[in-house]
Amino acid sequence: KAGVTQTPRYLIKTRGQQVTLSCSPISGHRSVSWYQQTPGQGLQFLFEYFSETQRNKGNFPGRFSGRQFSNSRSEMNVSTLELGDSALYLCASSPDRISDEKLFFGSGTQLSVL
Amino acid sequence: AQSVSQHNHHVILSEAASLELGCNYSYGGTVNLFWYVQYPGQHLQLLLKYFSGDPLVKGIKGFEAEFIKSKFSFNLRKPSVQWSDTAEYFCAVKSGNTGKLIFGQGTTLQVKP
Repeated sequence: KAGVTQTPRYLIKTRGQQVTLSCSPISGHRSVSWYQQTPGQGLQFLFEYFSETQRNKGNFPGRFSGRQFSNSRSEMNVSTLELGDSALYLCASSPDRISDEKLFFGSGTQLSVL
Repeated sequence: AQSVSQHNHHVILSEAASLELGCNYSYGGTVNLFWYVQYPGQHLQLLLKYFSGDPLVKGIKGFEAEFIKSKFSFNLRKPSVQWSDTAEYFCAVKSGNTGKLIFGQGTTLQVKP
């Protein structure tokens, strides 16, 4: 079974631009979560999608948005990029069974904002 | 707001030393508790989890964690570490109310051979 796939692996953007990151969950997983990882801050929760609906949202500004498609693939968009948005963005999928609450993480997209 | 705190940011141990990594959370309701590990160059993966029952849970590679409800803690332990345990460890808490899975800042463990 293929794991969680995130594309692209690396991105370099400049301030003010926008960026779209993609995540393909493990086949059969319907829940997709996004996290921002930075040194010293750990993983900060961005949002979670389930069946094309945003189920949970973290404390990030509205510049950060996401969506999920009918095949459970998810995209995350960041508009008007700021230097502080430089981070590793991780996507995780889950089968979303209460008896098996476990996240499967992708390798992440390393975003650098210049 | 729900938060997770890991006391140690960087721990250096020699092989065979005992390990305890602290984790405290701020939420008072029903919680599910997790430890995730990220080995160098690998994805984050689940080490162990607690949902209910015996507060002492055992995970992979000889790790265990104890849930102490009165202290809002879920500390990770291993009696004897190995060089291969060098990794970053993250504690995470899922609130029964919000459903959000919140991670701590992470602890980098370096084991010297």
